[in-house]
Amino acid sequence: QKEVEQNSGPLSVPEGAIASLNCTYSDRGSQSFFWYRQYSGKSPELIMFIYSNGDKEDGRFTAQLNKASQYVSLLIRDSQPSDSATYLCAAPSGSARQLTFGSGTQLTVLP
Amino acid sequence: NAGVTQTPKFQVLKTGQSMTLQCAQDMNHNSMYWYRQDPGMGLRLIYYSASEGTTDKGEVPNGYNVSRLNKREFSLRLESAAPSQTSVYFCASSGNMYQETQYFGPGTRLLVL
Repeated sequence: QKEVEQNSGPLSVPEGAIASLNCTYSDRGSQSFFWYRQYSGKSPELIMFIYSNGDKEDGRFTAQLNKASQYVSLLIRDSQPSDSATYLCAAPSGSARQLTFGSGTQLTVLP
Repeated sequence: NAGVTQTPKFQVLKTGQSMTLQCAQDMNHNSMYWYRQDPGMGLRLIYYSASEGTTDKGEVPNGYNVSRLNKREFSLRLESAAPSQTSVYFCASSGNMYQETQYFGPGTRLLVL
């Protein structure tokens, strides 16, 4: 079992809709979780991080964490074509707590 | 403030050739990382340096060596390149190893023929 798993997609949503991206992790010791966005041909950039159970909102983005279910999600409200990218979930794992990344979910927002 | 810089941006090698990928950060970060990214595989950690003077293997270290030259610089060396090392390589840095945001460089696209 991979330590961080994501649906690879691709996921397509119409402009203005809510995009829901999901991630599960296997290391119960993980305390922090990160969502990165990566445009084609570019490097990953941090969108949000979350440490506590529940929701964390930042503009159109909401991260949700459920430690009991080992599940973290990212909701993008009012999706825009500029949100079209690959979204990477990451969590610390291993003895040195290095970040482990999921394989990413490719999101396309259709005008 | 350039953040994380990488050189070169693009490189073509023949099988068996060697090369060094350079990475530098100007954010006074303690920890630095090298990843490779292949289609459908996400980012896989090659080596990391938790602090100046230390380096450790990540998930896919075979065929690579690293040097933490000083606090700013972390290089990745391919001693004898193989076609399986064709990939995009990203360097990243963070304040420290634990629960810290990583900042990525622009990447190096490497093609091994």
